[in-house]
Amino acid sequence: EVQLVESGGGLVTPGGSLRLSCAASGFNFADTWMSWVRQTPGKGFEWVARIKSKAYGGTTEYPAPVRGRFTISRDDSKNTLSLQMNSLKTEDTAVYYCTIGIGREQSLDHWGQGTLVAVSS
Amino acid sequence: DIVMTQTPLSLSVTPGQPASISCKSSENLLYSDGKTYLSWHLQKPGQSPQLLVYEVSNRFSGVPDRFRGSGSGTDFTLKISRVEAEDVGVYYCMQSLHLPPTFGQGTKVEIK
Repeated sequence: EVQLVESGGGLVTPGGSLRLSCAASGFNFADTWMSWVRQTPGKGFEWVARIKSKAYGGTTEYPAPVRGRFTISRDDSKNTLSLQMNSLKTEDTAVYYCTIGIGREQSLDHWGQGTLVAVSS
Repeated sequence: DIVMTQTPLSLSVTPGQPASISCKSSENLLYSDGKTYLSWHLQKPGQSPQLLVYEVSNRFSGVPDRFRGSGSGTDFTLKISRVEAEDVGVYYCMQSLHLPPTFGQGTKVEIK
């Protein structure tokens, strides 16, 4: 059974940092492209990062709103996906989901349970 | 970015009756490989989303056959042939043709 379990969410002040983790199991993590997607009541779902498998160079991609502030990474030896979030803004407040895939190359077919990040002073 | 627009935003359905949700994209979602990158996801109350349909009409593993996706180009539909109580939640379409992937605003389905 595929499982994606996020952790690391919490309350942080604007300008602060937070690191999210996603423990993956039940599938071949090393061969899988992974992503983070966030959800807010106001803007709905927003993709925030994607990382390809090592076979595809482990390339990372980000949308403009988080580029330069967020860093996605993976540890295939531990089946773990991470999202380092720096220079956090109030508009980064959201539930963050770890997902399997997103995009043409690998469809988004599983979501984690989500972890809440609140950025507030 | 590709804009995804869903209608209606909410739907109240009698159990056993059909339901239909429309999703329109601002660009044609057909790729040169012949596939159309439109998927449907359901977020049940208090849960994370789950994939229902990918590439317009392919039901994901374990999804009941009362769910049917159709459409092409920029116009897509998700139909539930006979709504059951467990189908309540918010349905989202998503395009994955180009980065960034984008989502519709959601259609809330309730039971009468």
